[in-house]
Amino acid sequence: DTAVSQTPKYLVTQMGNDKSIKCEQNLGHDTMYWYKQDSKKFLKIMFSYNNKELIINETVPNRFSPKSPDKAHLNLHINSLELGDSAVYFCASSPGTSGGVFQETQYFGPGTRLLVL
Amino acid sequence: QKEVEQNSGPLSVPEGAIASLNCTYSDRVSQSFFWYRQYSGKSPELIMSIYSNGDKEDGRFTAQLNKASQYVSLLIRDSQPSDSATYLCAVNSRGSTLGRLYFGRGTQLTVWP
Repeated sequence: DTAVSQTPKYLVTQMGNDKSIKCEQNLGHDTMYWYKQDSKKFLKIMFSYNNKELIINETVPNRFSPKSPDKAHLNLHINSLELGDSAVYFCASSPGTSGGVFQETQYFGPGTRLLVL
Repeated sequence: QKEVEQNSGPLSVPEGAIASLNCTYSDRVSQSFFWYRQYSGKSPELIMSIYSNGDKEDGRFTAQLNKASQYVSLLIRDSQPSDSATYLCAVNSRGSTLGRLYFGRGTQLTVWP
């Protein structure tokens, strides 16, 4: 009964490879996010989708491409991985708009620890 | 550039004491404020949200907001060793894209028995 799940939990790969991280939420939320947390624990938004529509697209390299096949899933594909991509990537979700009010509380997944060698 | 500043710590308090965590933010039109707790190797979990000036209490936790001074704080009463974690302050701003939270770098709290 995991609320927000991510796979894989750990990802070790070589520079130059392409990899994907998957996220699923079973909370019925409309909005999903990808965050990157660096080695100094700074948590920074990368992307956000609301009902499969991209609403936040931070300044990240275009090697990163999110895909939302439906509102319960938000995947992150990374091309040509670089050493600096090593970090923990968190998926999160929030309810979205209810009664005309955007519900902002965000629920985080367990994280994917990416190490690029 | 909207900034959220926190003392990185570490903040160390004895068991049973009050731990006080502070956060300042740069955007005057910020309207939503959150405190997340993150244990080492785990994901952030929401412990408090506050939207209006004043205090909001939930169990041993009290969030305090002062929009005029642009700070938000979190008090943990009767601190327990299980409270040892990094506490992240997050702020959303009116006019920002819905759901865009700006996080501080976190304050590491250690409660020693």
